[in-house]
Amino acid sequence: GAVVSQHPSWVICKSGTSVKIECRSLDFQATTMFWYRQFPKQSLMLMATSNEGSKATYEQGVEKDKFLINHASLTLSTLTVTSAHPEDSSFYICGGRGSNQPQHFGDGTRLSIL
Amino acid sequence: DAKTTQPTSMDCAEGRAANLPCNHSTISGNEYVYWYRQIHSQGPQYIIHGLKNNETNEMASLIITEDRKSSTLILPHATLRDTAVYYCIVRSNYGGSQGNLIFGKGTKLSVKP
Repeated sequence: GAVVSQHPSWVICKSGTSVKIECRSLDFQATTMFWYRQFPKQSLMLMATSNEGSKATYEQGVEKDKFLINHASLTLSTLTVTSAHPEDSSFYICGGRGSNQPQHFGDGTRLSIL
Repeated sequence: DAKTTQPTSMDCAEGRAANLPCNHSTISGNEYVYWYRQIHSQGPQYIIHGLKNNETNEMASLIITEDRKSSTLILPHATLRDTAVYYCIVRSNYGGSQGNLIFGKGTKLSVKP
């Protein structure tokens, strides 16, 4: 149980385009969802958290206008990287947590900006 | 900053028990100990968590010292597929930022044939 599906798993796009990543909790209701970023050989860094129907809370140093997060339902959150540039290339991982449950993660999206 | 200390790396022979230590000397009374692992190029996988009692599930056992300042994750019969980075994280079950999982560097476990 407790499966989080993330899509796409891999995306390559040109500099200046926007990229949307979807995160779905398949068999539980995720009252809180999380977005992390991981650069090569580094640990996961929390970008933002969101509760269903509320605005996301961003960590210090994360630009909310660049990384748009929508958590419109208890099973879906999206992260849109706007006007992506090569420095935004990274491994993006979402997670979801239901009431009194551990957090579960998707398999990540590898984003490469050319 | 992560509130745990783990060895950078460990090796374990296939079929033997892997014992991964974690120090969390500043843990507070409402914080749980969580363990996750990350296999290369995948998202983290939940393993187990506990507050003060030892816990066991189908994946692993978690031994927490009586003073709660350290814990050990035990994989009873390690296989090659257990090679991963293992993260020990302390987290409050309250809401807000206290409930966020903050990842440190973890322990890279290499299971060898």
